[in-house]
Amino acid sequence: DTAVSQTPKYLVTQMGNDKSIKCEQNLGHDTMYWYKQDSKKFLKIMFSYNNKELIINETVPNRFSPKSPDKAHLNLHINSLELGDSAVYFCASSHEKRHTPGTDTQYFGPGTRLTVL
Amino acid sequence: AQKITQTQPGMFVQEKEAVTLDCTYDTSDPSYGLFWYKQPSSGEMIFLIYQGSYDQQNATEGRYSLNFQKARKSANLVISASQLGDSAMYFCAMREGFHSGGFKTIFGAGTRLFVKA
Repeated sequence: DTAVSQTPKYLVTQMGNDKSIKCEQNLGHDTMYWYKQDSKKFLKIMFSYNNKELIINETVPNRFSPKSPDKAHLNLHINSLELGDSAVYFCASSHEKRHTPGTDTQYFGPGTRLTVL
Repeated sequence: AQKITQTQPGMFVQEKEAVTLDCTYDTSDPSYGLFWYKQPSSGEMIFLIYQGSYDQQNATEGRYSLNFQKARKSANLVISASQLGDSAMYFCAMREGFHSGGFKTIFGAGTRLFVKA
């Protein structure tokens, strides 16, 4: 009964490959996010979706493409992987609604450690 | 400009003592939320405590309390009676409200806490 789940937990791949990370939440939340945590532990938002609609896209290379098939899922597809993409990627969700943002706690998935060789 | 500042990269505390982790923030939005997360060595992000900008009282959750000083724009986390299991990275975060577009949470650089036996 995990609240926010991500698969896979670890992903090791070669430069140039395409890979996907899946995220699912069973909390009934309206908003989902992808974050990237670099080797210095700095956590930065990449994307946010509210009810399947993209609302935040933070200067992320267009090799990264999020897809939200429904409110409970937000997947991240990465094309042509580069060494600099190595990081931990966190999915999160919150109850945030468009007219009352800024007040709801985000719950994080366990993270996916991506290593690009 | 940095919106969330955590000035202590690392802190040591003796077991059973209290410790304060500093966090200052910068926003002109009247509505915002402040959060603290814990990231143990296992990597997951654990929500600890939330303070809303309009909340009159400081938030408390068990051994965690948030010392909210709005005029100073500070939101320090106080952990009372430290335990060995409190050793982790702690992140302060802010989410601005509707006037700033909402939805985007900004994280500080983190403070690594070491609890000594």
